[in-house]
Amino acid sequence: GAVVSQHPSRVICKSGTSVKIECRSLDFQATTMFWYRQFPKQSLMLMATSNEGSKATYEQGVEKDKFLINHASLTLSTLTVTSAHPEDSSFYICSASDYRLNYGYTFGSGTRLTVV
Amino acid sequence: GQQVMQIPQYQHVQEGEDFTTYCNSSTTLSNIQWYKQRPGGHPVFLIQLVKSGEVKKQKRLTFQFGEAKKNSSLHITATQTTDVGTYFCAGDSGGSNYKLTFGKGTLLTVNP
Repeated sequence: GAVVSQHPSRVICKSGTSVKIECRSLDFQATTMFWYRQFPKQSLMLMATSNEGSKATYEQGVEKDKFLINHASLTLSTLTVTSAHPEDSSFYICSASDYRLNYGYTFGSGTRLTVV
Repeated sequence: GQQVMQIPQYQHVQEGEDFTTYCNSSTTLSNIQWYKQRPGGHPVFLIQLVKSGEVKKQKRLTFQFGEAKKNSSLHITATQTTDVGTYFCAGDSGGSNYKLTFGKGTLLTVNP
């Protein structure tokens, strides 16, 4: 089945620094990946759609200059949280789909970001 | 934009009781998917429903897709403690962007 690897699983950073989160599709190619944010006990909020070789598509209200997305290859998308602030602390999850299979979307294991 | 409403938000049952969560979309869906997220974990794909009126079963789990392709339900028979988690429905309205809209989820807790 489809496997999506997300790294790191946890990160603590200081306010004002930047953090990069990687999302890799291990056994399939993903022209499209999705980045979500999830607050405690809440649903997944789609932040942006990452498109290989082109600019990401951001959802309304998501600052593209703050959440930089790069999808440089068919197996890797990165989300960089720039100039992080405590309110950016959250659970960030990526997902991708192998459309050759009827497996829906495979999610990465998520990254717990804490900004202190 | 598209909205997916899911109820109830929480459900606590005794082990052995049944459980049902319901999903309603504001627009007709191309397909609907169900995911389970254990506490502290990430969403795991359970199933995808595509056809109008479709019913699929996975052991004690029964998934239904409404005739109008706007609502869906997940029913668990004789719950077990391993069923604990949040169940999300996610609607795909079709189109080339493959974007999913998630419901708010139903947190199921099971008392042994």
